[in-house]
Amino acid sequence: EVQLLESGGGLVQPGGSLRLSCAASGFTFSGYSMSWVRQAPGKGLEWVSDITNGGGVTYYGDSVKGRFTISRDNSKNTVYLQMNSLRAEDTGIYYCAKRIRNGADYWGQGTLVTVSS
Amino acid sequence: DIQLTQSPSFLSASVGDRVTITCRASQGINTYLAWYQQTPGKAPKLLISAASSLQSGVPSRFSGSGSGTEFTLTISSLQPEDFASYYCQQLNTYPLSFGGGTKVEIK
Repeated sequence: EVQLLESGGGLVQPGGSLRLSCAASGFTFSGYSMSWVRQAPGKGLEWVSDITNGGGVTYYGDSVKGRFTISRDNSKNTVYLQMNSLRAEDTGIYYCAKRIRNGADYWGQGTLVTVSS
Repeated sequence: DIQLTQSPSFLSASVGDRVTITCRASQGINTYLAWYQQTPGKAPKLLISAASSLQSGVPSRFSGSGSGTEFTLTISSLQPEDFASYYCQQLNTYPLSFGGGTKVEIK
């Protein structure tokens, strides 16, 4: 059974940093790209970042480029999202998801990030 | 960047109704489009990939069609568990993007 478990969310002040983790199990982690997607309270889905299966290529949304860094450790079956220079508009639930070519077929339950003073 | 415009943003319907949601892309994306369902407090669920390919376990009342810039998600006979929000996502070009969503509520 595929499982994705996010952690690392919490309350952080504007300008601060957080590192999210997503532990994967139930599939060959090193064979798949992974995504981070977020959802602000009461709003729609926003794609944040992708990383290829080997970790060699990364992609970012315009709103997080230069502030967020995606990485992965295939030996630990874990994908990370390092978030720096956080802003109030980064508040929301952050989901990790397993990518297939034409979608994201498994999602974690999400971790809540709140940026507030 | 590719923008996706979903319509309607809100839809009120009854059990048994046929429902159609449209997703328009600002430029051609072949069939690199996915549809997701999200119920309150839950993670999104992939319903359809590659514009028309039904995911395993998804009821056959859901169907998708389209290519290029115009896509549709159809629910042939709305069931109580289908009242949710629906999102399209393009996977043709980075940065990836989602449509604004369609909330389907009970009439």
